[in-house]
Amino acid sequence: AQSVTQLDSQVPVFEEAPVELRCNYSSSVSVYLFWYVQYPNQGLQLLLKYLSGSTLVKGINGFEAEFNKSQTSFHLRKPSVHISDTAEYFCAVRRTGTASKLTFGTGTRLQVTL
Amino acid sequence: DGGITQSPKYLFRKEGQNVTLSCEQNLNHDAMYWYRQDPGQGLRLIYYSQIVNDFQKGDIAEGYSVSREKKESFPLTVTSAQKNPTAFYLCASSIGTGGPSHNEQFFGPGTRLTVL
Repeated sequence: AQSVTQLDSQVPVFEEAPVELRCNYSSSVSVYLFWYVQYPNQGLQLLLKYLSGSTLVKGINGFEAEFNKSQTSFHLRKPSVHISDTAEYFCAVRRTGTASKLTFGTGTRLQVTL
Repeated sequence: DGGITQSPKYLFRKEGQNVTLSCEQNLNHDAMYWYRQDPGQGLRLIYYSQIVNDFQKGDIAEGYSVSREKKESFPLTVTSAQKNPTAFYLCASSIGTGGPSHNEQFFGPGTRLTVL
């Protein structure tokens, strides 16, 4: 089975500062990796995903993430955040192959202030 | 405009009552999923269905039931056997079980259930 760890439950940051949200996973097999964003009282929206190929993945809203197989990490980054980026961010992993379930981390609350 | 709808957005029920949460999608997706979200615990899978008339238990199926009589609909019933049903419930769908992109999950807006 696979698991996901998001060590930071909350990350406060000032507007226009860079941010990194950490995600580490554990799996004995190859995986696909995802980052989702959730605004208050809404569903989840896919930010970006790693399926194969280049380890640097670019997503929506200026976010990017880098897959590091040796460190089993998939950290999310943005060079300059905005107030509107305030939300909950979830990392998720899925075993490659068919009919495999998504396993989510516990989420990181990004709080952007002026 | 394609997407996933969940109704109602807020739902209140008395202890001991069953309640059914609606999930409809017009994306022509084969697979559908139900998750429960609690503060600090992320999303946990309750049930999923890969095709009409078939569904499987997820990680926390006890106290819940589902049906999949139509491709576009996957209602979730929270029964009185669920000991702590107050939570935010999210429905999702994906194209199916083909290549990697076929399993990208799209989420509905959620239903917040409160047991009084």
